[in-house]
Amino acid sequence: SQQGEEDPQALSIQEGENATMNCSYKTSINNLQWYRQNSGRGLVHLILIRSNEREKHSGRLRVTLDTSKKSSSLLITASRAADTASYFCATINERDSNYQLIWGAGTKLIIKP
Amino acid sequence: GAVVSQHPSWVICKSGTSVKIECRSLDFQATTMFWYRQFPKQSLMLMATSNEGSKATYEQGVEKDKFLINHASLTLSTLTVTSAHPEDSSFYICSAKTDWNQETQYFGPGTRLLVL
Repeated sequence: SQQGEEDPQALSIQEGENATMNCSYKTSINNLQWYRQNSGRGLVHLILIRSNEREKHSGRLRVTLDTSKKSSSLLITASRAADTASYFCATINERDSNYQLIWGAGTKLIIKP
Repeated sequence: GAVVSQHPSWVICKSGTSVKIECRSLDFQATTMFWYRQFPKQSLMLMATSNEGSKATYEQGVEKDKFLINHASLTLSTLTVTSAHPEDSSFYICSAKTDWNQETQYFGPGTRLLVL
């Protein structure tokens, strides 16, 4: 059920810097969501952006969506060591009444103190 | 709100035995739950969609008789790995949808299964 690609696969930055992760998908979507997974744990929903939205903010998170390019980016500003985790994008296809999530491959983010 | 628990968090078993994993929605009713499998450093692979009171819908390539799913109540779904083999060792994660938000999934903490 995976259709998305994320880049980079891994990202290592210094604490305080901004982290940007990208996600691409293949079909027309209803919405795109970002989730975070700490090592060996379940996933936590971060933010949802709808297909008619271009940008959304939540705290230190900024998500953009470009439906013409079928891509999204997640920006984490002023990163902290606690942001170290894997980040996944997931989409819901436009015509899917079951709202099944289609997952990207994920980006492993490491914040160096 | 929207808390999902999984039990056990860790299980080690001998090859040939069956293992049951429970997924509970603690503070909401979940008409739909999902079961995922995740290999190291990889994304989630959807195994099946479980609707309360009906048979689970399995993804292509997932053996129904191997991975038995029961969603007997609005707060509990179980995944039983039957006759487990070492290749079944993996991280299994469940998620649930709430009545008020069909688009977001709330995840359990996962169960790590090791079959010896």
